[in-house]
Amino acid sequence: DARVTQTPRHKVTEMGQEVTMRCQPILGHNTVFWYRQTMMQGLELLAYFRNRAPLDDSGMPKDRFSAEMPDATLATLKIQPSEPRDSAVYFCASDREQSYNEQFFGPGTRLTVL
Amino acid sequence: GENVEQHPSTLSVQEGDSAVIKCTYSDSASNYFPWYKQELGKGPQLIIDIRSNVGEKKDQRIAVTLNKTAKHFSLHITETQPEDSAVYFCAASIGSGYALNFGKGTSLLVTP
Repeated sequence: DARVTQTPRHKVTEMGQEVTMRCQPILGHNTVFWYRQTMMQGLELLAYFRNRAPLDDSGMPKDRFSAEMPDATLATLKIQPSEPRDSAVYFCASDREQSYNEQFFGPGTRLTVL
Repeated sequence: GENVEQHPSTLSVQEGDSAVIKCTYSDSASNYFPWYKQELGKGPQLIIDIRSNVGEKKDQRIAVTLNKTAKHFSLHITETQPEDSAVYFCAASIGSGYALNFGKGTSLLVTP
């Protein structure tokens, strides 16, 4: 059945390294969201795209984070350089064009920055 | 900025009892209120949602109520089962747009 996929599922890296997380939204879904989940802050919206165009990235630290959708089947979230405070689970979610549809979440990427 | 407050942060009930989780929101333009269930190691999954033109919605053992005047909404789970144990998140739309603000979550434990 259709689901959002994310790679890698786990990533351990050292401070200062570049990290790239990938998301494949459900086929036909044209709105893609990136969230970060931590114990302290809960689920935070980082950025989202509609029809591959960024609609809002105000939740994202601009100096080190970047999000793109090279094509309709791939969304990427990049951190450069990574810092220990970036350690979290990063979720991608997608939904269809109509508003208020269910956001389908991927399984997440657990990032640990040492 | 606008946010969503969720209470309690943890909830323990006996199997068969009811569980209630409450949320308040501050954005008066919010008009969509979903609830998500997150099991360990997985992404959140929608279990029920309600739109601002409806006061109550029920789906089997799960119900949600919305009071737009007071800006609060609640999740009710009846006849709880051990498999209901998970973290539950409420959310409110940011204005009338696509994005959501999430509450901090409630960890529900249903003991046999």
